[in-house]
Amino acid sequence: NAGVTQTPKFQVLKTGQSMTLQCAQDMNHNSMYWYRQDPGMGLRLIYYSASEGTTDKGEVPNGYNVSRLNKREFSLRLESAAPSQTSVYFCASTPDGVGTEAFFGQGTRLTVV
Amino acid sequence: AQSVTQLDSQVPVFEEAPVELRCNYSSSVSVYLFWYVQYPNQGLQLLLKYLSGSTLVKGINGFEAEFNKSQTSFHLRKPSVHISDTAEYFCAVISSNDYKLSFGAGTTVTVRA
Repeated sequence: NAGVTQTPKFQVLKTGQSMTLQCAQDMNHNSMYWYRQDPGMGLRLIYYSASEGTTDKGEVPNGYNVSRLNKREFSLRLESAAPSQTSVYFCASTPDGVGTEAFFGQGTRLTVV
Repeated sequence: AQSVTQLDSQVPVFEEAPVELRCNYSSSVSVYLFWYVQYPNQGLQLLLKYLSGSTLVKGINGFEAEFNKSQTSFHLRKPSVHISDTAEYFCAVISSNDYKLSFGAGTTVTVRA
């Protein structure tokens, strides 16, 4: 049982490059989330998808786009990476997003130089 | 919208001593509350959650938390910590009418022999 799988685990980008972080869950969960984790700031919500076909902005959406490709997959795209986007990114999923446990991936450590 | 404040950024504690991590939340509607733990270089895993019912909830690894609606708090406690409890702990909240799971800034617990 893989749970939530994120790829890649590590990535170094140059300023201005683009990339897509992939996330897939095999638990048939409805809701999926993208967070970034920075020292002293906890996890901040970038985007979330309450169900297949819907996406909504979180606290810090600027510079990011998302796609809920199907029920399993939720990708995060950086169109033009900036050093301020250096962070650890976590994907999470919940069965229905209300009052239920969130399951997290292992994270993607992104460095933008 | 809801928010979470963790009142202590770092908590050093000696092995076998008790520990309390403080969490306050704000929300205009009823909430569900969670504590997650993150061990170094890993994702987050659920320690415990409060959905309804008894205000004292017990979780894994000997942790417990008490929901106090009048004080809008959800403090985490453990009567006797081990070296292996060294980790970062996050309080999280989701409102009953929303899908956004919001996290506090985290509390780093360092257990010393």
